Amino acid sequence: EVQILETGGGLVKPGGSLRLSCATSGFNFNDYFMNWVRQAPGKGLEWVAQIRNKNYNYATYYAESLEGRVTISRDDSKSSVYLQVSSLRAEDTAIYYCTTGSAYWGQGTLVTVSS
Amino acid sequence: DVVMTQTPPSLSVAIGQSVSISCKSSQSLVASDKNTYLNWLLQSPGRSPKRLIYQVSKLDSGVPDRFSGSGSEKDFTLKISRVEAEDLGVYYCLQGTHLLTFGSGTKLEIK
Repeated sequence: EVQILETGGGLVKPGGSLRLSCATSGFNFNDYFMNWVRQAPGKGLEWVAQIRNKNYNYATYYAESLEGRVTISRDDSKSSVYLQVSSLRAEDTAIYYCTTGSAYWGQGTLVTVSS
Repeated sequence: DVVMTQTPPSLSVAIGQSVSISCKSSQSLVASDKNTYLNWLLQSPGRSPKRLIYQVSKLDSGVPDRFSGSGSEKDFTLKISRVEAEDLGVYYCLQGTHLLTFGSGTKLEIK
C-alpha cells in the first residue's frame, strides 16, 4: 500500500521559514520525480516544485511565483522529500501536498502564515 | 509556461445525467516519448486529490467505467456518464508533459 505522509506544517510569522518533510513507502521512490503542490483555502491546486530522480541528476524546478524562496530536496535512502520555504508571506498560507505528480498524493500539511 | 483552461467552472447535475468537462492547453502536450501526459483528478470534499485518468484516457484501478477521457494535442475532455452522488467534488485537469500545470477546476454539484 502506498503511503505518503507530510509533516512540518504549522503557524509561522510573516518572514519566517519552514521545512516540510514527506515520508513515503509502498512504491519505488527512486524511480519517481517528486513534487510539492499547494492549495490555498478555498482555491485550486498550484504546483510548487519538482525534483527529478537520480537518472536525471536530481534536477530541480520551481514555480516562478516562489522561485528564490523555496528549495526542494530528497533523500532516496529514506524515500523522503523535503521543501524548505523562507520569507513566508500571508499568501503562502495553504495545504502543502507531496505527490509523485499525479498518481500518489499525501493528505497534506497545513501552513498558516500569520502574526 | 503552459496554461490549462478548464471549463465550465461549475456544474449542477441530477443523478443519472451525463456531464462533460473541457480542458485546453496553451501548448501541445505530446511529449518527446510520444505519450501525452494529461490527467484528470477528483478532489472530494475535505480530501486530497485522487487521480481518475492518466495519459488522456487510461482509467486508474478501481475507477468506474462511467468515467472516460478523450482528446489529443491541446484539447481534452472528461465525460462522466450516469452521474452518481459519490461523484461530487472538484475535478482538475493536470498536465505533466511540461512540469506540472493544473486547470482551474470544475465543481460538480448534485441537484
